[in-house]
Amino acid sequence: DVKVTQSSRYLVKRTGEKVFLECVQDMDHENMFWYRQDPGLGLRLIYFSYDVKMKEKGDIPEGYSVSREKKERFSLILESASTNQTSMYLCASSLARGGQRDTQYFGPGTRLTVL
Amino acid sequence: GQNIDQPTEMTATEGAIVQINCTYQTSGFNGLFWYQQHAGEAPTFLSYNVLDGLEEKGRFSSFLSRSKGYSYLLLKELQMKDSASYLCAVRDQGSNYQLIWGAGTKLIIKP
Repeated sequence: DVKVTQSSRYLVKRTGEKVFLECVQDMDHENMFWYRQDPGLGLRLIYFSYDVKMKEKGDIPEGYSVSREKKERFSLILESASTNQTSMYLCASSLARGGQRDTQYFGPGTRLTVL
Repeated sequence: GQNIDQPTEMTATEGAIVQINCTYQTSGFNGLFWYQQHAGEAPTFLSYNVLDGLEEKGRFSSFLSRSKGYSYLLLKELQMKDSASYLCAVRDQGSNYQLIWGAGTKLIIKP
């Protein structure tokens, strides 16, 4: 079974703080993704990575950065947290690009509240 | 542009059958996924369609018509544990093969 873990289930931070969200997958997947999920909206892609040290912007990258120094680990960084970044953050990974190999498997999510 | 439409909420009775529809508009269709998401939990993969027709997996089936930009998820013999949101996602060639997600359909099962 694919296992994707995230560093925290719940996190409360103050405006202006730097926030690190970590994601680890144990199935040697090539691709990793960071989404946020808000009520009434679909999952929105923040950043993704197809390889170590590689990153690409998704639909809403503003205010976020990422790091992928090792294949199994993909970190999301909020440089200066703001209240509009209060959300559920979901990490996902997939085996490879193309076809059903691109099925994404999700971590349990981190519910971040910025006060 | 790209767009995915699903009903916001549906209600069904335990033991019955329910069909959840998904219509999409994308610039380059390259596969459709259905996920289940229980409240407060992560989405879990249910099915994948890339060719027209029906894919059956136990109590769950998924149908695709590429010419109509349409898919549905069929749930049979509904159980209370099927109460969840069901997310439709389309892989779009025009979006660098990323998934475009619908907002999800919240399914409520009543005894």
